[in-house]
Amino acid sequence: QKEVEQNSGPLSVPEGAIASLNCTYSDRGSQSFFWYRQYSGKSPELIMFIYSNGDKEDGRFTAQLNKASQYVSLLIRDSQPSDSATYLCAVRTGNQFYFGTGTSLTVIP
Amino acid sequence: SQTIHQWPATLVQPVGSPLSLECTVEGTSNPNLYWYRQAAGRGLQLLFYSVGIGQISSEVPQNLSASRPQDRQFILSSKKLLLSDSGFYLCAWSPITGGSGNTIYFGEGSWLTVV
Repeated sequence: QKEVEQNSGPLSVPEGAIASLNCTYSDRGSQSFFWYRQYSGKSPELIMFIYSNGDKEDGRFTAQLNKASQYVSLLIRDSQPSDSATYLCAVRTGNQFYFGTGTSLTVIP
Repeated sequence: SQTIHQWPATLVQPVGSPLSLECTVEGTSNPNLYWYRQAAGRGLQLLFYSVGIGQISSEVPQNLSASRPQDRQFILSSKKLLLSDSGFYLCAWSPITGGSGNTIYFGEGSWLTVV
């Protein structure tokens, strides 16, 4: 399978801080890149996707893509305790979606 | 709107018993369909994907199989379960149109414990 690498964490940030999550991928043919949030025992939920180099903002979330470095990141501003979850990076190559192992984030009140 | 249903939600099966997990999608036609497995503390492993009725691609050789008897129905099966088959099984779908923003949507998952 294609490789998608994430730091497993755990990552802890205080409430109101910026959380930064990183992901690298191995297949240069990957077309689109996604961030999902997964609460314990639940299925993943889409946060946002990006497919062009640069930044994409959606509310408190900003995704960054650098195809030359094969690197994707997610910034969460004004982190809230409800953001505590595992964040999964995913890449799409053709019809297939490959996921990283996830980064566990804890936001401390 | 599109919805995806997956069942059963939880099951406990003895080693060597058969398995059948079922998934249906509503509100769309010709979706791409996927089965993933998530072992405890691990990432999502793509098991099977399908781009149409009867068309199944396997990512990982193992004792599991998948079938797509109808356009919006996807079934994961095993004839004899192993302890290592325990995990969280997720069915998912994505639009078949090839837009860059096409994403993948998950069902609620099935927890399988093999004892």
